[in-house]
Amino acid sequence: NAGVTQTPKFQVLKTGQSMTLQCAQDMNHNSMYWYRQDPGMGLRLIYYSASEGTTDKGEVPNGYNVSRLNKREFSLRLESAAPSQTSVYFCASHWEGTGELFFGEGSRLTVL
Amino acid sequence: QKEVEQNSGPLSVPEGAIASLNCTYSDRGSQSFFWYRQYSGKSPELIMSIYSNGDKEDGRFTAQLNKASQYVSLLIRDSQPSDSATYLCAVRGGGGNKLTFGTGTQLKVEL
Repeated sequence: NAGVTQTPKFQVLKTGQSMTLQCAQDMNHNSMYWYRQDPGMGLRLIYYSASEGTTDKGEVPNGYNVSRLNKREFSLRLESAAPSQTSVYFCASHWEGTGELFFGEGSRLTVL
Repeated sequence: QKEVEQNSGPLSVPEGAIASLNCTYSDRGSQSFFWYRQYSGKSPELIMSIYSNGDKEDGRFTAQLNKASQYVSLLIRDSQPSDSATYLCAVRGGGGNKLTFGTGTQLKVEL
């Protein structure tokens, strides 16, 4: 049972390049989330998906797009990366029974 | 005003002491409250959840909730060096699925 799996774990991009962060969960949860974590800023919500086929903006959506491909997968895309998007990105899925979030291991992105 | 506020620390306590971590929130309709622990370079992991006023104990951890004061706290008894981590307070508002995190309090347990 893998839980929440994120790929890649590390990535270095040049300004203007694009990339997609992949996330998959095997817990049959309806809701999935993308957060970014920066020093001193805590976890900030980028986008979330309450169910397959729906997505909503969080606190810091600018510069990102998401796709809820199916119930298992929720991807985050950076169309034109900027140095301000250097961060650690966490995907999480939500168990409605207790409200708990289960996190992936994180993806460390550096934009030069 | 931030939705969820925590003192960033670091909070230093000697081994064996009680560590007290505090969190305030702004949404009076909030229903669910969580404490996550995050070791350096790792992902957050849930250690406590609390949904009603009062105390909830789990081993060395006690979560306390006061909705009237919009205040939630975490007590760690008999603190161990392995408790050294950042503790994140998270609050789920009454309006939906979003979980809002505080910036976290760094705890250092010293030998």
